[in-house]
Amino acid sequence: QKEVEQNSGPLSVPEGAIASLNCTYSDRGSQSFFWYRQYSGKSPELIMFIYSNGDKEDGRFTAQLNKASQYVSLLIRDSQPSDSATYLCAVNIGYGQNFVFGPGTRLSVLP
Amino acid sequence: EPEVTQTPSHQVTQMGQEVILRCVPISNHLYFYWYRQILGQKVEFLVSFYNNEISEKSEIFDDQFSVERPDGSNFTLKIRSTKLEDSAMYFCASTVDQPDYNSPLHFGNGTRLTVT
Repeated sequence: QKEVEQNSGPLSVPEGAIASLNCTYSDRGSQSFFWYRQYSGKSPELIMFIYSNGDKEDGRFTAQLNKASQYVSLLIRDSQPSDSATYLCAVNIGYGQNFVFGPGTRLSVLP
Repeated sequence: EPEVTQTPSHQVTQMGQEVILRCVPISNHLYFYWYRQILGQKVEFLVSFYNNEISEKSEIFDDQFSVERPDGSNFTLKIRSTKLEDSAMYFCASTVDQPDYNSPLHFGNGTRLTVT
């Protein structure tokens, strides 16, 4: 059974702070990792992906991957109230395989 | 930016009725998917479709479900006899190639299905 786990939250951070979202996965064969943002009642929208160990930065977002620990995280710098949403971690276990989604972490950025 | 389009945005149906959810994937994409999300729960894979046939399906995708690409643009999900537990948001997605980091899922806006 391929599992992707996330803390459900809510994670509350003050405006301007760094939000740290975590995800673990069970399948060591997992190849690539995605962070999606989902506003209430809306569809998931892709924020970024990572497939190599280490950090990957895109604007205010940084994804971190540690395949040995089967752990991926998303840091959001200078958090804004508009970042308040549920963040979904998705894992692709191999080329051509479908994505497995975690349950999501609800983030609340307080003004 | 090209989008995946889903219709209707909200569908209400009575238990036992058939429903068809429609999707227009991004035009140059070759792989198509249906996912569902029950309220408050995680996004779950239903089925993937490539070259006019199902390439993978989950345990959720039983005989009550079917998919079709009736023409060059539409991709449909049919539920033959809806049950209360089919109430969920259904998302269509597409990818240009087999899904991986070079070909992430692009989701439509979803159809909220309510079975009464």
